[in-house]
Amino acid sequence: GESVGLHLPTLSVQEGDNSIINCAYSNSASDYFIWYKQESGKGPQFIIDIRSNMDKRQGQRVTVLLNKTVKHLSLQIAATQPGDSAVYFCAENTGNTPLVFGKGTRLSVIA
Amino acid sequence: DVKVTQSSRYLVKRTGEKVFLECVQDMDHENMFWYRQDPGLGLRLIYFSYDVKMKEKGDIPEGYSVSREKKERFSLILESASTNQTSMYLCASGTQLAFFGQGTRLTVV
Repeated sequence: GESVGLHLPTLSVQEGDNSIINCAYSNSASDYFIWYKQESGKGPQFIIDIRSNMDKRQGQRVTVLLNKTVKHLSLQIAATQPGDSAVYFCAENTGNTPLVFGKGTRLSVIA
Repeated sequence: DVKVTQSSRYLVKRTGEKVFLECVQDMDHENMFWYRQDPGLGLRLIYFSYDVKMKEKGDIPEGYSVSREKKERFSLILESASTNQTSMYLCASGTQLAFFGQGTRLTVV
């Protein structure tokens, strides 16, 4: 889940296992949700998005699930690889408003 | 591919200096954003712009200003740099989906 304070939640996963990263979003009016991946020293990179009229969207090895009832978003990464090690952020907005970001989760892949 | 380019990867400035961080995008986006990123605090919005010569304050605008003279360029200005402005600065452009630059790590000494 998302962090409070200075410590980033960390998820450690064995290489080849599936990863699930969770996010609780704040605005029930949000209609667009994005997952970003940020590697050390780089800017956030788009992974996958979903609109509020959907509850699931799949990409290559990634799936995003949206539960509007409890304002919960998750990112599933199949067959996690060392290159997936990064900080993952969820973000939300509505209309043309700026994105609001969660505080991130650090994914560490154990080889 | 969308490209958002920030002028510097690393910058070291002295307290009290005026600092300019430049950002250029090549996708003709109307919206551009400046965020700062600090450990455990995520990305916080400093300023954004929906069009040339327009600017809007974000969540933490104090100590910063911006300039948008051309559509493709959005500059962040630290009027008088202070040590608490040491941070990673991220520029983004886009409508609902924002694309980010590589970031500028600014150290104020």
